[in-house]
Amino acid sequence: AQSVAQPEDQVNVAEGNPLTVKCTYSVSGNPYLFWYVQYPNRGLQFLLKYITGDNLVKGSYGFEAEFNKSQTSFHLKKPSALVSDSALYFCAVRPLNTDKLIFGTGTRLQVFP
Amino acid sequence: DTEVTQTPKHLVMGMTNKKSLKCEQHMGHRAMYWYKQKAKKPPELMFVYSYEKLSINESVPSRFSPECPNSSLLNLHLHALQPEDSALYLCASSQLRGFYGYTFGSGTRLTVV
Repeated sequence: AQSVAQPEDQVNVAEGNPLTVKCTYSVSGNPYLFWYVQYPNRGLQFLLKYITGDNLVKGSYGFEAEFNKSQTSFHLKKPSALVSDSALYFCAVRPLNTDKLIFGTGTRLQVFP
Repeated sequence: DTEVTQTPKHLVMGMTNKKSLKCEQHMGHRAMYWYKQKAKKPPELMFVYSYEKLSINESVPSRFSPECPNSSLLNLHLHALQPEDSALYLCASSQLRGFYGYTFGSGTRLTVV
């Protein structure tokens, strides 16, 4: 079965410190990979995507993600966290030749002043 | 226009009521989606429309009835809902296939009383 795992329900980090939110996937072929962020009572906002090419992709708001094919991982990173980054983060994969996005369970990021 | 617009933002309805949720996009996307999201959970796919035709129904109860009148509009008709149907209902759109993510609306917060 195709699935996306986000092993941490919550990640806590101090403002100014680097952050990592983990994501691994189990999908056949070479899917397209995405990160979305959700603020309370809002829809999901696109952060970044990996299609092909450089394993480090840069996205919105200073976020970046590192693709590792051998580990089937796509971890979200940011060099210096802001309190305003506190939100719910979802990793998602889109298998080739489908219109479905498969979401991970989400990770709540809490950045403390 | 790079947005997906959902109305209403909030809806309270009784179990015998009939109501509709509306979604609109003008990005030329030919795939549109309805998702249901419970608090602190990932979105769950309900329906997919491709070229205005229903292509995926994730075994959703018949009290939810989708409709796609044209390529820009997507409706979700609600009838005889249960309190457990209370959730955030998200609409999304995307280009068909390819390496595209979704563009999400802000959602309709539905409460069934």
